[in-house]
Parts: sequence; C-alpha cells; structure tokens
Amino acid sequence: ETGVTQTPRHLVMGMTNKKSLKCEQHLGHNAMYWYKQSAKKPLELMFVYNFKEQTENNSVPSRFSPECPNSSHLFLHLHTLQPEDSALYLCASSQDTQGQGRQYFGPGTRLTVT
Amino acid sequence: AQRVTQPEKLLSVFKGAPVELKCNYSYSGSPELFWYVQYSRQRLQLLLRHISRESIKGFTADLNKGETSFHLKKPFAQEEDSAMYYCALGANSKLTFGKGITLSVRP
Repeated sequence: ETGVTQTPRHLVMGMTNKKSLKCEQHLGHNAMYWYKQSAKKPLELMFVYNFKEQTENNSVPSRFSPECPNSSHLFLHLHTLQPEDSALYLCASSQDTQGQGRQYFGPGTRLTVT
Repeated sequence: AQRVTQPEKLLSVFKGAPVELKCNYSYSGSPELFWYVQYSRQRLQLLLRHISRESIKGFTADLNKGETSFHLKKPFAQEEDSAMYYCALGANSKLTFGKGITLSVRP
C-alpha cells in the first residue's frame, strides 16, 4: 500500500498494558504528525516531527511517548493509559512543516482502553 | 492562539440544492486556510486550500479576512458529496482543525 499506513487498525488494551502504534509513510516526506480524534472533540495535534526531530509536543501526558527513528517511521508508545484515552489515533505526513497544510493522513488506529 | 469554529454539526440538503459549510477562525497573523474531507470508510484528505483559489469537485471557498471566515460552498450538491468536512487553519508550523460538520445529501 502506498501513502501513509498505520498498524494496528484496532487495539484494545488494559490500563496496565504497554503497546505501540506504528505509522509508516511512503511519500518521501520529512514531517510526521500524531493526532488524537475523540468523539465530540476536534482533531487534536499531539506531536510533530520534522527531519526526525520533535518540534511540537502539545502538552501530551507522558503516558504517550513518541519515537521517530527515521523520516519514514513514527511510533507512539503507550503505557498505563486511562479509559479517556480511548480514541482514534491518526498519523499524518507532509513534505516538511512549512507545508503543513497539505498533510496526508493514515487510516488511523482505533484504540480502546479498558 | 489559533482557533477554528464550525458552528454547525450537521447539514442535510436535497440533491441539487446549494450548500454552504461555515468556518470562522481566530488568528492574529496571516493564516493559511484549508478544507479537509472524510468520506465514509475513507481517510481524511485535503479538499482545497485558499492559496490555490481553485474549485475542487465543484466546491469553492473564499477567505474573508474582514469576517475571518472561510466558508465552503457548492451551488448544486450531489449525493457523493455526503461526508464529514473539516476546516483547518495552518500557522506556526501546525494545523488547527475545527470540530467538523457532517454533510448529508439526500436523493
């Protein structure tokens, strides 16, 4: 599949579990983003990476830990989550953060915390 | 701070009717404005941006700096336009999204 891929597509985890979300982009972009989409709330930007360097942390709790080993891959490590963290987590990429308007989104990971 | 307001959650129209999806923004500088769309079972994708001044799938949007608005319009809605539409503001190297509006076009 081309574009932006995310795995897994669905994840159910307990509050004491540790899991990771993976995002991969095949577009040659240099910027990658994590968003949280909850019911009844707008898309919330969580993290921004530009050329593998984190440039934005939007006051995200430390139980979410991002990792960007290279410009094509982005991870979101999860531990000791709360039920209110249940949401759709979207990954996106763009050429760089100057072109942040044209972002390409992945299909998302639907996370349920029990 | 930058903020995007989409005042309505749902707009339901009949096929062939005009559509206007409202978007207002708050930002002290010169922003870039965008409309993103999410069709059923598809991923979020860019529909159009104000700097392009283009018409995509019959949709247009004009940036009105005086009213700080970027409303999305289409003169004749089609059933395939049914989707979730998000207005977004680009500034300070990030995008801020509105809550989105569901457009439902009935036959």
